[in-house]
Amino acid sequence: SAVISQKPSRDICQRGTSLTIQCQVDSQVTMMFWYRQQPGQSLTLIATANQGSEATYESGFVIDKFPISRPNLTFSTLTVSNMSPEDSSIYLCSVEERGQMNTEAFFGQGTRLTVV
Amino acid sequence: KQEVTQIPAALSVPEGENLVLNCSFTDSAIYNLQWFRQDPGKGLTSLLLIQSSQREQTSGRLNASLDKSSGRSTLYIAASQPGDSATYLCAGPPGFSSGSARQLTFGSGTQLTVLP
Repeated sequence: SAVISQKPSRDICQRGTSLTIQCQVDSQVTMMFWYRQQPGQSLTLIATANQGSEATYESGFVIDKFPISRPNLTFSTLTVSNMSPEDSSIYLCSVEERGQMNTEAFFGQGTRLTVV
Repeated sequence: KQEVTQIPAALSVPEGENLVLNCSFTDSAIYNLQWFRQDPGKGLTSLLLIQSSQREQTSGRLNASLDKSSGRSTLYIAASQPGDSATYLCAGPPGFSSGSARQLTFGSGTQLTVLP
C-alpha cells in the first residue's frame, strides 16, 4: 500500500495569510486528491491533481483560493489562500492504487488547520 | 449520485463487546466499498476494501460485509478494545463498473468509544 507523508501535521494561522501543505508519496501515482474535512463533517473532495496539467476542481472550490501544484508523480502541494476562520479544517491528501479488480484509496495523516 | 449513510453517529461500548457499524448506500451498482478509521484530528487509515464480487472481508478482529442488493455494508469488530476508539468511515465510488477513487463518497462516520 502507498505511504503518504503530509506536512505540516497542524498549524495555527492568522486570517488573511496563506498556508501551503505538502504531500509526498512513496511511489509514482497518476492522480493525487485533496480533501477537506470541516469540524464534525465528513470528507469533501477539493480537487484532483494530475501531473503535467491543471488540477480539476470540484464544485464550490476555485483555483484562486486553493492553488495546487503537481511538479512530479510523487509530490503535490495545496495552498489555502487568504485564509479565514471558515477555512479551519483538516486537509487530507489521497492517492489510489489500482488492482486487477478494484481501486483502493490511501490517505496521508492530514493537516489540521486552525485560522484565528 | 451515490449517497452514503452511517448509523449510528456515535456508539459507546464496554471493553470486550462485539459490535456492528452500519453503512448504507443508494447506488447498488457500487463496485467496491472501503472502510476507514480516523483518529481525532488525523488522517484516514484504510481498514478493509470489499469488492462487489465479495460478500465479506476479514482482517484480524475486523470483518466487513457487503450486500449490494440491499445497499448495505457492515463492519463487525470483535472483542473491542479501548484502542479501537476512533471514528469509522465507509466510502464508496459512484456506481459504474470502472472508475477511480476520485469520486469517493463518504459517510458521516460513526464515532466509537470503547470504555475500559
